[in-house]
Amino acid sequence: TQLLEQSPQFLSIQEGENLTVYCNSSSVFSSLQWYRQEPGEGPVLLVTVVTGGEVKKLKRLTFQFGDARKDSSLHITAAQTGDTGLYLCAGVSGGAGGTSYGKLTFGQGTILTVHP
Amino acid sequence: GAVVSQHPSWVICKSGTSVKIECRSLDFQATTMFWYRQFPKQSLMLMATSNEGSKATYEQGVEKDKFLINHASLTLSTLTVTSAHPEDSSFYICSARGLQRYNQPQHFGDGTRLSIL
Repeated sequence: TQLLEQSPQFLSIQEGENLTVYCNSSSVFSSLQWYRQEPGEGPVLLVTVVTGGEVKKLKRLTFQFGDARKDSSLHITAAQTGDTGLYLCAGVSGGAGGTSYGKLTFGQGTILTVHP
Repeated sequence: GAVVSQHPSWVICKSGTSVKIECRSLDFQATTMFWYRQFPKQSLMLMATSNEGSKATYEQGVEKDKFLINHASLTLSTLTVTSAHPEDSSFYICSARGLQRYNQPQHFGDGTRLSIL
């Protein structure tokens, strides 16, 4: 069973501060995805990282995939109140034809609250 | 972009009732659909994976007879919570994926809030 440890679980910061969320696993994933979820809605995909060492930027959000494809981080620069939400990392299982093919293993989630 | 519609968005019913939740892919054919359960302020927990035309694969600890999944067409999967009880109250989310490629993204519905009285 693949597990993904996400930390911190809760993050409360002031507007303008920077923050980093981490996802770590002892397993290798084919790729890793980051989602954001608002209350009462489904998660929305922010980014997919595929290659070890890959860095992707989405405005003030920077996503990094570890060299060994076991860990990832999300860094938000100058957080805004609109960034408030639940952030989820999810590892994608590979292995075509296996029972785990394409499954997402979610981390525990990080509830981010950005105060004005 | 790919759209997944989930219905109903909210349901309240009495204990012992069976509840059916629909998940539809509106503009693509979904060969695989996934059903998740989410408790307040927690992450998504995969319940089962269904492929069109075949039986669903349930995760360990999920009761097959309790959570019936049907994926009869490439655009529709249903989850039926049979004889629901208060402990079944939760947020249920489906996702759908088209091509059988491991990095093809899953497209999520907006979830169904199920409350059992």
